[in-house]
Amino acid sequence: DAGITQSPRYKITETGRQVTLMCHQTWSHSYMFWYRQDLGHGLRLIYYSAAADITDKGEVPDGYVVSRSKTENFPLTLESATRSQTSVYFCASSRTRYEQYFGPGTRLTVT
Amino acid sequence: KNEVEQSPQNLTAQEGEFITINCSYSVGISALHWLQQHPGGGIVSLFMLSSGKKKHGRLIATINIQEKHSSLHITASHPRDSAVYICAVSFPTPYNNNDMRFGAGTRLTVKP
Repeated sequence: DAGITQSPRYKITETGRQVTLMCHQTWSHSYMFWYRQDLGHGLRLIYYSAAADITDKGEVPDGYVVSRSKTENFPLTLESATRSQTSVYFCASSRTRYEQYFGPGTRLTVT
Repeated sequence: KNEVEQSPQNLTAQEGEFITINCSYSVGISALHWLQQHPGGGIVSLFMLSSGKKKHGRLIATINIQEKHSSLHITASHPRDSAVYICAVSFPTPYNNNDMRFGAGTRLTVKP
């Protein structure tokens, strides 16, 4: 189906484990983004990518790694999950860098 | 201090009322965005503005660059407009080309 998808939608993991959240879009949009949303903080940009093999840090990049070998995929990896990374994660994509289309979100719980 | 401030935090209106949500920001921006987050969590981009005014149906967004202020208006509000409305700004920094900051959101409830 066309659009932007995230997987998994829900994930529970333990402190110290590596976790990868997947984001896939079918529009061939150049720009892709990862956000986290927490009560009391709202949405915060983690990383973004302007094109394949081009990524840049946002407001809260520490503890996260991204890659973009293909235009349609933008995985987010938590190398060693911490409880403070419990959050809802949203991926978004954009053709023009500004008007963004959001995925449905991934709710991650780190125990 | 947050770079993006929204007001009010919560807003309850009767169906049919005209609604205004305000957003003020403190940095030089490339663009300002209005987003809508439904109770189920999904986020939809409503507007992207760099100047002036935009209109989609019953929604109107305005921005005043000199005053660093934007407003989102909803005319003839309806219960299906109930959602959280989020203001966000894009701005260049010395470290990257497109950082973004988000307001805390305005929770709108429209009663029938």
